[in-house]
Amino acid sequence: VQLVESGGGLIQRGGSLRLSCTASEFTVSSNYMSWVRQPPGKGLEWVSVIHSSGTTYYADSVKGRFIISRDNSKNTLYLQMSSLRSEDTAMYYCATGLAAAPYNLWGQGTLVTVSS
Amino acid sequence: DIQMTQSPSSLSASVGDRVTITCQASQDIDNFLNWYQQKPGKAPKLLIYDASSLETGVPSRFSGSGSGTDFTFTISSLQPEDFATYHCLQYENLPYTFGQGTKLEIK
Repeated sequence: VQLVESGGGLIQRGGSLRLSCTASEFTVSSNYMSWVRQPPGKGLEWVSVIHSSGTTYYADSVKGRFIISRDNSKNTLYLQMSSLRSEDTAMYYCATGLAAAPYNLWGQGTLVTVSS
Repeated sequence: DIQMTQSPSSLSASVGDRVTITCQASQDIDNFLNWYQQKPGKAPKLLIYDASSLETGVPSRFSGSGSGTDFTFTISSLQPEDFATYHCLQYENLPYTFGQGTKLEIK
């Protein structure tokens, strides 16, 4: 059971980027799935969630700029990021909860660097 | 949004010490709190969920307690592999929020 993120990289301020998180051995659409980020040397920030129902929620810091979605046929979670700012520079993790424990499964992360 | 105040921000301790970290929520979160361990370059690892439940496979020297607004995380006897950064997460109310983190260093 694992999550594997991809899609990070160096992007100019104001640009767009799409992150992916592919799940194995469980079904993305049956679980809530989240993105959490961590700027270099700083703490963790919860970014967004998509519930099994399809309902989404965003942190105020990304609302209107980021969109969380999933492709059930690919068993993959996405984060479409636009109007990127320097403060969006961070390691981005996808995370979910399996069995009884919330947020007990995390990917290895993908690094997004926004250059000015 | 619920604010999570975690303290201390850093801590020096020795192998064998008992260590305690606290998180205080700005409003009642019942027991919807996790504790994570994070080592450099790695994703967070869940240790405690629902404030006091030990995640499968996690050593029993880790424990958590509390409910409402005040929570405590304890390592009963520090081992060399425990030197890391620890985070709390509240998941009672969206947007979920983390504490600022506690860096545990070797004295």
